[in-house]
Amino acid sequence: EIVMTQSPPTLSVSPGERVTLSCRASQSVGSNLAWYQQKLGQAPRLLIYGASTRATGIPARFSGSRSGTEFTLTITSLQSEDFAVYYCQQYNNWPGTFGQGTKVEIK
Amino acid sequence: QGQLVQSGPEVKKPGASVKVSCKASDYTFTTYGISWVRQAPGQGLEWMGWISGFNGNTNYAQKVQVRVTMTTDTSTNTAYMELRSLRSDDTAVYYCARDSVTGPHNAFDIWGQGTMVTVSS
Repeated sequence: EIVMTQSPPTLSVSPGERVTLSCRASQSVGSNLAWYQQKLGQAPRLLIYGASTRATGIPARFSGSRSGTEFTLTITSLQSEDFAVYYCQQYNNWPGTFGQGTKVEIK
Repeated sequence: QGQLVQSGPEVKKPGASVKVSCKASDYTFTTYGISWVRQAPGQGLEWMGWISGFNGNTNYAQKVQVRVTMTTDTSTNTAYMELRSLRSDDTAVYYCARDSVTGPHNAFDIWGQGTMVTVSS
């Protein structure tokens, strides 16, 4: 199975800052990579699919990119509602595997 | 566009079985599949398996393959996940999520609210 490695495990940031989260796949997944946001006690919410396409209703401050097997989620000007855990997921192969998550917390 | 509503929390003893339901609305059930994902307390997301809403084909994660059965009822647009021989490490929130009708996967664009399953003696 494909292993997804996210870094860092935790990011401490201030509101208004720019945030960059990383996700690396152990082998090629093409652009079949999604990012999810999960707030405490809630189900995950799809942010990005196809490595760089925002899901319906997702603000433009969220963007995704790909370089080979390295993927990045960028949040420009972090808002208070963006403090959450972010997961990447490859959906190119069975089983669809998730990274371990990056927690974005208030500095 | 679309909603998944899951059944309520469950408390089970070790060795018992649990069956969680996931009712779809506001989209055509048979043109998508459903994946089941679980999350142990304080842990990450673990994919458990997938079922096609069109023909009932399934694909299960190796970890739970011998203990899990996923089914659908297209007359009620409902997917079910049954997990048998429960152990304490099956304690988790179980989510259903909308997925590809074939395989392997799409991004999971709609999620249920989650069902807490607690396994305790």
